[in-house]
Amino acid sequence: DTGVSQNPRHKITKRGQNVTFRCDPISEHNRLYWYRQTLGQGPEFLTYFQNEAQLEKSRLLSDRFSAERPKGSFSTLEIQRTEQGDSAMYLCASTAFGSTEAFFGQGTRLTVV
Amino acid sequence: RKEVEQDPGPFNVPEGATVAFNCTYSNSASQSFFWYRQDCRKEPKLLMSVYSSGNEDGRFTAQLNRASQYISLLIRDSKLSDSATYLCVVMMEYGNKLVFGAGTILRVKS
Repeated sequence: DTGVSQNPRHKITKRGQNVTFRCDPISEHNRLYWYRQTLGQGPEFLTYFQNEAQLEKSRLLSDRFSAERPKGSFSTLEIQRTEQGDSAMYLCASTAFGSTEAFFGQGTRLTVV
Repeated sequence: RKEVEQDPGPFNVPEGATVAFNCTYSNSASQSFFWYRQDCRKEPKLLMSVYSSGNEDGRFTAQLNRASQYISLLIRDSKLSDSATYLCVVMMEYGNKLVFGAGTILRVKS
């Protein structure tokens, strides 16, 4: 499978726990995006990387959220001290250099109980 | 005001109908425009890009009016398989983030 891969697909965690999600973009795609989507809403931008550099981070993202892309390939999104309001689908997307088409992974559905 | 606003929907139409979706964006510096399709519990996928000259792909026609900051999508001869959420998407500048509207649900019924 050469598409965008996200793991895990589902995560249930207790409030206050930390969680980490992984995204493997399409090989050689230099831009990688993280989005969050709740029911009835479109994807909401969280952050994006060009290679290993994090170029923009949404103001909506609290200090509990951090993302990395250490070698410019896969990326991780960590949420510390999860809250019930963090329950959502977390989507990762990547684009190739020179392209505007974003390819999305199937997402990680987080449920905070 | 939201950066990208769409018709609330849902649109319930019979097979064979023509349906139009509208979208407005607030930032005049927006550079690129798209329609994405999202099936239930699936990831969004690019349907088509939108250009000022308009573009057509089979039964789908997209239009952009930069002066009015307005984007449209027309679907002719609707099929059951067109049932999905249609997301209007704007990119501020090349390589920058994609800003999504809330989406419009289309239900095509036989």
